Amino acid sequence: QSALTQPASVSGSPGQSITISCTGTSSDVGDYNYVSWYQQHPGKAPKLMIYDVTYRPSGVSSRFSGSKSGNTASLTISGLQAEDEADYYCSSYTRSSSYVFGTGTKVTVL
Amino acid sequence: EVQLVESGGGLIQPGGSLRLSCAASGFIVGSNYMTWVRQAPGKGLEWVSVLYSGGHTYYADSVKGRFTIFRDNFKNTVYLQMNNLRVEDTAVYYCAREGSSSGGYWFDPWGQGTLVIVSS
Repeated sequence: QSALTQPASVSGSPGQSITISCTGTSSDVGDYNYVSWYQQHPGKAPKLMIYDVTYRPSGVSSRFSGSKSGNTASLTISGLQAEDEADYYCSSYTRSSSYVFGTGTKVTVL
Repeated sequence: EVQLVESGGGLIQPGGSLRLSCAASGFIVGSNYMTWVRQAPGKGLEWVSVLYSGGHTYYADSVKGRFTIFRDNFKNTVYLQMNNLRVEDTAVYYCAREGSSSGGYWFDPWGQGTLVIVSS
């Protein structure tokens, strides 16, 4: 199972919006609405930010939103803040009853 | 509070074995799906294995036949038995709950991770 494709890096100024893409195949992202997103600060465990493509867990800022079209899912961060600087990973359930993660995107707040 | 704490990592020679533990609090391991995810140094996340509440298990191709996931309901703990370890198994290993007790396809919460280094 190949990793989902994400841009290596995305940057934006405080207050701006950025979008991170996550491209898979018809066997994972395209076949299920089971895409989740994780934020990981250096040396820390990943944190769930979005699940089932569009849903935010309790306690996650409404500045984070998710969407999907075909084989590509996206995470949008609105009103970018310094604390959003981190690595972000997408994940999708697959037809083989396993999971695949994205390659990861480093978000830099300029 | 829902929490996971991993232990058991360390330095091991290629071909050796290691057992990782993941102790849960705030929920019942046996009623949930439990997963192991690993992250090689400086690399991305890689799904390793899942143990369903009914006992079914699934593994990534990279560890199939070498790793075994199991649980001890009395200790509310999930384990990852790793045999025939390879240099490429070097990573921080995280355990996580998959979804909620009623299902779901996400990982939350995560433990703090335990580092496994396979080297001669």
